[in-house]
Amino acid sequence: GAVVSQHPSWVICKSGTSVKIECRSLDFQATTMFWYRQFPKQSLMLMATSNEGSKATYEQGVEKDKFLINHASLTLSTLTVTSAHPEDSSFYICSARGGGGLSGASYNEQFFGPGTRLTVL
Amino acid sequence: GEDVEQSLFLSVREGDSSVINCTYTDSSSTYLYWYKQEPGAGLQLLTYIFSNMDMKQDQRLTVLLNKKDKHLSLRIADTQTGDSAIYFCAEASGATNKLIFGTGTLLAVQP
Repeated sequence: GAVVSQHPSWVICKSGTSVKIECRSLDFQATTMFWYRQFPKQSLMLMATSNEGSKATYEQGVEKDKFLINHASLTLSTLTVTSAHPEDSSFYICSARGGGGLSGASYNEQFFGPGTRLTVL
Repeated sequence: GEDVEQSLFLSVREGDSSVINCTYTDSSSTYLYWYKQEPGAGLQLLTYIFSNMDMKQDQRLTVLLNKKDKHLSLRIADTQTGDSAIYFCAEASGATNKLIFGTGTLLAVQP
């Protein structure tokens, strides 16, 4: 149980276009979803935290108008990179935390998606 | 602010034990985690330890926590080539419950 998927797994786009990445919790309800960015050979940096039905909370230095996050349901959160530029190229990973549908797992545990590789040309 | 540090690289021979170390600064951490990341993939939770525990063992994995020194280690017994990956420790901040990740340790297992 506790599977999180991301779509797409990789995307290449032209500079100036917008890209939407989906994060889904497949077999549980995620009250909270997190979006991370990972540059090559670096650690994961938290970008924002989103709770279902409310606005996302962004970390310091992350532009909320550039990285739009929507968490409209308990199983889906989306990250839209608007007007993408080459410096936005990175590995974006989501995670989900919740309780409904989980059995035997800590409420505090975050389950990670497989990541989305974004390359902006 | 919170900071989590790891050594960058560890090389071991197949069959030996590996010990990956991590230091953190947030004394109010509730849980501490170890994740494994293979190339181009997401994170796989290996194990976690509650902050009031000293040790946790799970098959080949042993986690030691020295809360006084804010030091966490992961020991992998009988290391296999399939264990080659980047290992991240992470702490759940006591204040925000967010995960703060370490810098990652690349484990290379030589056959």
